[in-house]
Amino acid sequence: DAKTTQPPSMDCAEGRAANLPCNHSTISGNEYVYWYRQIHSQGPQYIIHGLKNNETNEMASLIITEDRKSSTLILPHATLRDTAVYYCIVDLGAGSYQLTFGKGTKLSVIP
Amino acid sequence: EAGVAQSPRYKIIEKRQSVAFWCNPISGHATLYWYQQILGQGPKLLIQFQNNGVVDDSQLPKDRFSAERLKGVDSTLKIQPAKLEDSAVYLCASSSSGYGNSYNEQFFGPGTRLTVL
Repeated sequence: DAKTTQPPSMDCAEGRAANLPCNHSTISGNEYVYWYRQIHSQGPQYIIHGLKNNETNEMASLIITEDRKSSTLILPHATLRDTAVYYCIVDLGAGSYQLTFGKGTKLSVIP
Repeated sequence: EAGVAQSPRYKIIEKRQSVAFWCNPISGHATLYWYQQILGQGPKLLIQFQNNGVVDDSQLPKDRFSAERLKGVDSTLKIQPAKLEDSAVYLCASSSSGYGNSYNEQFFGPGTRLTVL
């Protein structure tokens, strides 16, 4: 079973920031938080990952709370192409290199 | 860089028939995964290969599903005989994890949509 909880759906106005929350209250100290997204009819795509510190790349920012029990993925200026299902995943760690997907959050960017 | 290739993209079969899917991972990626994604759910890992060896096939229904990765490159996933509940998208992914890449970035193919009638 997935170790994360996400809202099933969210809307965001085009051009505004999209903030996608994720709860992972049972995360262990050496487990990373990963975010992937899946655009309709495509395979999932890696977005970002983090352990303790906030992370930013060209796609998004990841904010992890100090107790690591939750995180937020931020798309700073959402576009219609960001409409997708977003998956928050806690890595099994120990070098297993496996991903356990939940149902994710369906983000709809509204014009 | 070429991505993960899968074929066919779509397949329709009747129950009890057999079907095979093919995957060509990104060049140099040692790890290959097959996932099953049922409509409305996230992908579920079926099998993980490291080169041509199986790392984990604990969720593969071995009475009807089989997979191989000859020469550590291409892979095929077979279902024989198919059941109605096998209708899903079958995704292949590859990664270089474990070989100078400490994080779990998997690259996914477009998937094969299987419909079992």
